Amino acid sequence: NAGVTQTPKFQVLKTGQSMTLQCAQDMNHEYMSWYRQDPGMGLRLIHYSVGAGITDQGEVPNGYNVSRSTTEDFPLRLLSAAPSQTSVYFCASSYSNTGQTGGTEAFFGQGTRLTVV
Amino acid sequence: GENVEQHPSTLSVQEGDSAVIKCTYSDSASNYFPWYKQELGKGPQLIIDIRSNVGEKKDQRIAVTLNKTAKHFSLHITETQPEDSAVYFCAASVLYNFNKFYFGSGTKLNVKP
Repeated sequence: NAGVTQTPKFQVLKTGQSMTLQCAQDMNHEYMSWYRQDPGMGLRLIHYSVGAGITDQGEVPNGYNVSRSTTEDFPLRLLSAAPSQTSVYFCASSYSNTGQTGGTEAFFGQGTRLTVV
Repeated sequence: GENVEQHPSTLSVQEGDSAVIKCTYSDSASNYFPWYKQELGKGPQLIIDIRSNVGEKKDQRIAVTLNKTAKHFSLHITETQPEDSAVYFCAASVLYNFNKFYFGSGTKLNVKP
């Protein structure tokens, strides 16, 4: 069971270039999300999706686009890379819990370390 | 929106000692508080979580306590071992609102053998 798979693991971009970070999950989770992790700032939500065809913005969406055409895949696009987007990016998937007990675990990928020069 | 603060940013303990990490949150609507452990080069992994209708939860050497009135929750690790060394993140979420997690800034725990 692969869980959440992110590619690539490392990437160096020049300012102004565009690229897509790939994320795939095989757990049939309805929820998927992208976070960025910067030193001393924890993880911040970029975009998220509650199902195929439905996406919404998180805390720090500027400069990023997402789409969700299938349950499994949730790619993150950088339109015109800037040095401020140098970060580690994590994709996560989770399931909903509308019950009165228990929680819901977010399963994270291994991350993509992106450097923009 | 929600604001989660986490302290301390670094914590060094001797093997066998206890470690405590504290978090506060601002949004009274938050009802789910997970803790994640991140080892070097890996994604965060859930280690324990608590719902707002519970005050304390324990799983072997790990426990979490929640004070809803004061809006703070804490992670307690007893009998620490070198393999507990990692970065720990607290988070707050409203379970019925997509699972939008707001994370603390992280605590780097170093357990010295």
